[in-house]
Amino acid sequence: DIVMTQSPDSLAVSLGERATINCKSSQSILYSSNNKNNLAWYQQKLGQPPKLLINWASTRESGVPDRFSGSGSGTDFTLTISSLQAEDVAVYYCQQYYSTPYTFGQGTNLEIK
Amino acid sequence: EVQLVESGGGLVQPGGSVRLSCAASGFSFSSYWMHWVRQGPGKGLMWVSHINTDGSTTNYADSVRGRFTISRDNAKNTLYLQLNSLTAEDTAVYYCTRGGGGFDPWGQGTLVTVSS
Repeated sequence: DIVMTQSPDSLAVSLGERATINCKSSQSILYSSNNKNNLAWYQQKLGQPPKLLINWASTRESGVPDRFSGSGSGTDFTLTISSLQAEDVAVYYCQQYYSTPYTFGQGTNLEIK
Repeated sequence: EVQLVESGGGLVQPGGSVRLSCAASGFSFSSYWMHWVRQGPGKGLMWVSHINTDGSTTNYADSVRGRFTISRDNAKNTLYLQLNSLTAEDTAVYYCTRGGGGFDPWGQGTLVTVSS
């Protein structure tokens, strides 16, 4: 199984400041045939289901604010929120869909400092 | 509007069974792989199972293989998950979600509580 490890487990950032969450996979999740990284980022607010933010490591989903961006390739990935807003308080998960079982990171709890 | 609505959860005794349903609307259900993902109380997300477009291919997490069965009825736009031989470790909110790269959208989930 591919293990997804996020860091940090929790993060407190001031409003308007940058938040960075890292995700590392235990093996490459880059499909050589199409040069796409099979990695997604989700946001889960309290009491709600997860919401897909970023697909293919760096493709922002429709309607997702452009302060959210994804980067990285191979085994190392990053979710960046460029200017933290109050509504961004949530738990963030990365996930690989390269091979089953499709595994998630343990989650990063993002709070306002 | 693309929508997924789960149902069927509840309180189940250890060793018991329950069938979850997920009603899909707003998209061509028969064109998508579908997944179940669960989340234990205060815990992270765990992929449970998936099924291909015509139901001929399925896969499961090791912890549920042999106990859970995923199926679909494309005529009814409905996804199912049959849960058997339940233990306390299966207590979770069960979400259905659409595949195609990342998972989107997700239903609101249905809670299965395994307890005597």
